[in-house]
Amino acid sequence: GQQVMQIPQYQHVQEGEDFTTYCNSSTTLSNIQWYKQRPGGHPVFLIQLVKSGEVKKQKRLTFQFGEAKKNSSLHITATQTTDVGTYFCAGSSNSGYALNFGKGTSLLVTP
Amino acid sequence: DTAVSQTPKYLVTQMGNDKSIKCEQNLGHDTMYWYKQDSKKFLKIMFSYNNKELIINETVPNRFSPKSPDKAHLNLHINSLELGDSAVYFCASSQDQGKWNTIYFGEGSWLTVV
Repeated sequence: GQQVMQIPQYQHVQEGEDFTTYCNSSTTLSNIQWYKQRPGGHPVFLIQLVKSGEVKKQKRLTFQFGEAKKNSSLHITATQTTDVGTYFCAGSSNSGYALNFGKGTSLLVTP
Repeated sequence: DTAVSQTPKYLVTQMGNDKSIKCEQNLGHDTMYWYKQDSKKFLKIMFSYNNKELIINETVPNRFSPKSPDKAHLNLHINSLELGDSAVYFCASSQDQGKWNTIYFGEGSWLTVV
């Protein structure tokens, strides 16, 4: 079945550094969603991208959907300790009806 | 009020036992899910129900049996528990089975099999 690959699996940064996680699919995606899971918590929806080349921002977070709708990225500017957690992308192919989650990128931010 | 609530939050049990996890959502959603998250944080869908009907049944041992008495509830029963069943189990819901819907997760049930 369609898989969504996410890299890196882990990232450790100093507070104030930038962070990016990437999500890739071998097939064209109809949409992609991003979720954040704090340590000990549950995944919480952040945003959804639908259009080719779409860019959305939430404060220090920038989300992009590739022109070919096969990849996406989440970029955090000037990380803070509150950004710690695991970030998941979840995508669905044009023919599919369910979201497939990537394996997540765990971000650790040290002060 | 918690939108998706599941009980128990923590469960420690011995191999071979049978246990259940209950889930309820008060969002009025039609679709509910069970996800399993292992120690590496991989989030895998197990089952999905839409209006009490099973629509997704991934490759899961038949020791796992979901039950949906109504569209607001989706319980998970596990027979003959094994060590490898230790994980966090998340119940979730969405408006319907459309792929553009946001998925709302419960707080998780941490199952440890000893």
